[in-house]
Amino acid sequence: DAGITQSPRYKITETGRQVTLMCHQTWSHSYMFWYRQDLGHGLRLIYYSAAADITDKGEVPDGYVVSRSKTENFPLTLESATRSQTSVYFCASKPTGKDYGYTFGSGTRLTVV
Amino acid sequence: DQQVKQNSPSLSVQEGRISILNCDYTNSMFDYFLWYKKYPAEGPTFLISISSIKDKNEDGRFTVFLNKSAKHLSLHIVPSQPGDSAVYFCAASPFAQGGSEKLVFGKGTKLTVNP
Repeated sequence: DAGITQSPRYKITETGRQVTLMCHQTWSHSYMFWYRQDLGHGLRLIYYSAAADITDKGEVPDGYVVSRSKTENFPLTLESATRSQTSVYFCASKPTGKDYGYTFGSGTRLTVV
Repeated sequence: DQQVKQNSPSLSVQEGRISILNCDYTNSMFDYFLWYKKYPAEGPTFLISISSIKDKNEDGRFTVFLNKSAKHLSLHIVPSQPGDSAVYFCAASPFAQGGSEKLVFGKGTKLTVNP
């Protein structure tokens, strides 16, 4: 199916564990992004990527790692999960050019206990 | 420091009336602005955008107005429908400055349209 998919939709993990959130898009969009949504904070950028093998930090990158070996995939890894990383995570993609808005995935709700 | 501000966390209007959602920004480098709508348990979806070379953009029931001197934009929904009930995010980008095409989002305004 065409589009952008995130997996898993829901995840519960323990403090200190490593967890990876997956994001896959089928359009070959150049740009991909990871945001987290928290009450009172809106959407905050964690990391983004302009192309395969090119990534950069956003507003709140601490505690997260990303990679982009293929254009279509942009996994987000929490190296050692903390309770403050409990959030809803959204992946997005967009083609180059300013007349295109982001297309977001459906989100992953992560709970760290 | 919040660069995109949506000062109203919530807004309630009657069906058929106008909904006006406001957004202020502080970064004078922003030159491209977007509105996204988000339903519960779904990702945000693109609604409408405006470039800084314009002061108005319409798409059906949705109109975005930009006042560059005041660093203010607003989204008008006319007439409002119950299906418009959602969280609306304002976003901005310094696109003309080159670089990443990152968007900076506001905290969102929850719109409730009452039948």
